[in-house]
Amino acid sequence: DAKTTQPTSMDCAEGRAANLPCNHSTISGNEYVYWYRQIHSQGPQYIIHGLKNNETNEMASLIITEDRKSSTLILPHATLRDTAVYYCIVRLLRGSTLGRLYFGRGTQLTVWP
Amino acid sequence: EAQVTQNPRYLITVTGKKLTVTCSQNMNHEYMSWYRQDPGLGLRQIYYSMNVEVTDKGDVPEGYKVSRKEKRNFPLILESPSPNQTSLYFCASSSRVGTEAFFGQGTRLTVV
Repeated sequence: DAKTTQPTSMDCAEGRAANLPCNHSTISGNEYVYWYRQIHSQGPQYIIHGLKNNETNEMASLIITEDRKSSTLILPHATLRDTAVYYCIVRLLRGSTLGRLYFGRGTQLTVWP
Repeated sequence: EAQVTQNPRYLITVTGKKLTVTCSQNMNHEYMSWYRQDPGLGLRQIYYSMNVEVTDKGDVPEGYKVSRKEKRNFPLILESPSPNQTSLYFCASSSRVGTEAFFGQGTRLTVV
């Protein structure tokens, strides 16, 4: 699976949009971009995933650049409960690495009042 | 309620004493896996299972065993635990590879 690069930490004011970037410059055509988050040693929680089109669900939006080398997770109205480590994962859905999730270090997002 | 349940949540044990951490899911998922999480190293996959009786090694399988005799259960076995297996462990399941993965609450294991 392609490696990802994320900032170590970010801050965001409550009620504002949180934009979390992820670089995945070696991504291949059949690899998906996934986002998970982990709140203080709880089990990771799935947020969203996409291939090349932008995606939106009740939690967040995922914007993938046209060349697919980077993406941005957007939490439109961050709350204190969104404080967590956010992981960007690029993942093949078939092949020899089938079944593996590589979490990396993630971005610690802190939402302040 | 759809969930992945791990037991125990906390465990302190001594070196060499065999232990099993259980994992059960109620979503009829085919795919299950185990991760460990250590400071500075993030989450690393230990073992995974594509279906009943089908298991394979992840990135850090040494010192661990798993079994998948039933679809809902995927226990993690430490035959002879050592202090370097002190960690936070997570079990996860999904309906198939590539779909949303559900994680358990975690098991904090300390081996002294």
